[in-house]
Amino acid sequence: GAGVSQSPRYKVAKRGQDVALRCDPISGHVSLFWYQQALGQGPEFLTYFQNEAQLDKSGLPSDRFFAERPEGSVSTLKIQRTQQEDSAVYLCASSFPWDRKNTGELFFGEGSRLTVL
Amino acid sequence: SQQGEEDPQALSIQEGENATMNCSYKTSINNLQWYRQNSGRGLVHLILIRSNEREKHSGRLRVTLDTSKKSSSLLITASRAADTASYFCATEVDFGNEKLTFGTGTRLTIIP
Repeated sequence: GAGVSQSPRYKVAKRGQDVALRCDPISGHVSLFWYQQALGQGPEFLTYFQNEAQLDKSGLPSDRFFAERPEGSVSTLKIQRTQQEDSAVYLCASSFPWDRKNTGELFFGEGSRLTVL
Repeated sequence: SQQGEEDPQALSIQEGENATMNCSYKTSINNLQWYRQNSGRGLVHLILIRSNEREKHSGRLRVTLDTSKKSSSLLITASRAADTASYFCATEVDFGNEKLTFGTGTRLTIIP
């Protein structure tokens, strides 16, 4: 596709359920980022990959959060035993080294809105 | 944690006026970027300014950077109703780490 695709766009989970959020980056993009955005706030960094290697996971809030990108393209963010404070929009972004070097640009998907009841 | 704080948190102006938003950050940076987010959508890159640059222009956008004050400003000239959105600054701190750290955002409303 032409842009970063995220699914599902909306997810409602009961507290304690596990959820999986998927990100399809732009084809050929090497780097992939996950951000969490609470209502009315800026995006908070969670983790990022370069190809299949997870280079920084310092933003993951707890061991209930896990991200993978096994083949260096599609990525999945998994949240186990969801809590109400996990309710947020989860944004995925990707980039290509040439773009990062010249324009710095990250290309964002439209996000997955998670509501935990 | 968020690196930057934006000021004001919200801004309403008449169409045609100029809008200025400010961003302050905490640590030394490699570059600073501005992004725009329409309600319920993803972020869209607007402009990048490197740490050795002081001012940059792109169309109706003008960005300044003062590394001694750890601050940046975004000016949108001749605002349009379609400029209504949230605007975020984002900093890249570490050459070896590509992550961006975003500010808290300014919600801009253009009144037709």
